[in-house]
Amino acid sequence: EPEVTQTPSHQVTQMGQEVILRCVPISNHLYFYWYRQILGQKVEFLVSFYNNEISEKSEIFDDQFSVERPDGSNFTLKIRSTKLEDSAMYFCASSEQASEQFFGPGTRLTVL
Amino acid sequence: DAKTTQPTSMDCAEGRAANLPCNHSTISGNEYVYWYRQIHSQGPQYIIHGLKNNETNEMASLIITEDRKSSTLILPHATLRDTAVYYCIVRVRSGATNKLIFGTGTLLAVQP
Repeated sequence: EPEVTQTPSHQVTQMGQEVILRCVPISNHLYFYWYRQILGQKVEFLVSFYNNEISEKSEIFDDQFSVERPDGSNFTLKIRSTKLEDSAMYFCASSEQASEQFFGPGTRLTVL
Repeated sequence: DAKTTQPTSMDCAEGRAANLPCNHSTISGNEYVYWYRQIHSQGPQYIIHGLKNNETNEMASLIITEDRKSSTLILPHATLRDTAVYYCIVRVRSGATNKLIFGTGTLLAVQP
């Protein structure tokens, strides 16, 4: 069964460093998303991406964040200058239509 | 998107049916009821969705009341691996916004 994959599973970085989280969505899906979950808190929407552009973003998704689909398979989330409060699980999701979303296993980001 | 109310936690004996309720009294006519679950810190997993008819798939059944103000997710034979947080989310299936808004969900503990 096709699934969303994410790399790395765990990323440790120093405050102020740039990180890129990578996702490979399900191959025939057209809509892509990033969510995050701070430890012990709710899953929060960050951004949705369709037709090579951002279709919606949350207040969390400020200028430090960017997304890209550099080729036909990868979908990336870049955090330009990480802060301690960026420590969280980051989940990528994809959907064929703007309906059921399928999530990856997540990347645990730890900012020291 | 309409607000949902779910119990904080529930227990269920292994092998028995787990019935998870959700209230969504302000749901509007074009909003679907979606169920996801999150096992420990894994990515949320899509379970099922419906508009007004009852739905069944290989994972679960979804019973929506005639007035659509509440619904119940049924796991027919719960196993220990079904221990998870279950989220009931109400949203338009394909509209201006595709984001999922996660609440705190119901922690289902399946007991041996």
